[in-house]
Amino acid sequence: GQQVMQIPQYQHVQEGEDFTTYCNSSTTLSNIQWYKQRPGGHPVFLIQLVKSGEVKKQKRLTFQFGEAKKNSSLHITATQTTDVGTYFCASRSSGSARQLTFGSGTQLTVLP
Amino acid sequence: DAMVIQNPRYQVTQFGKPVTLSCSQTLNHNVMYWYQQKSSQAPKLLFHYYDKDFNNEADTPDNFQSRRPNTSFCFLDIRSPGLGDAAMYLCATSRDRGRVGEQYFGPGTRLTVT
Repeated sequence: GQQVMQIPQYQHVQEGEDFTTYCNSSTTLSNIQWYKQRPGGHPVFLIQLVKSGEVKKQKRLTFQFGEAKKNSSLHITATQTTDVGTYFCASRSSGSARQLTFGSGTQLTVLP
Repeated sequence: DAMVIQNPRYQVTQFGKPVTLSCSQTLNHNVMYWYQQKSSQAPKLLFHYYDKDFNNEADTPDNFQSRRPNTSFCFLDIRSPGLGDAAMYLCATSRDRGRVGEQYFGPGTRLTVT
């Protein structure tokens, strides 16, 4: 089935530094979603990208969808301690339009 | 506020003793999902309901069953929990618009098997 590879698995940054996580697929994705899961919490939807080359911003977060729709990235500028958590990308499963396949996640630690 | 509610938040059961986890939603979404999430891993889909239509993942063990008596409620039954079933169980909902929309997750039930 469809797999979405996500890197890095872990990232430690100093508060104020930037952070980026990447998702890559061997197949073309119809869309990609990003979720954030705080420690001890549940995944919370951040954004969905659908169009080739799409870029969306939410305050310090910038989301990109590759031109070939096979990769995506989430970039956080000037991280804050509130950014701590695991960031997952997710895309529609090849088996069903209603199912998501999650990337393995990037666990972000922000050191004060 | 519209939301996804899971009860209980923490459940301890004995090896082999059946357990039921519940999920309810006030979003009136037609799709409900059950995920299993183990430590430092991504959520793993067990099954989902599209309205009353049940869809099981191929690798979901027979030990896991689900019921959706109405739009608002969905249950996860683990018939004979093993130690390997200890995990966080997440319920999620989405509104099917012909393509997958964002999913709204409940707070989860953390299952411990002793």
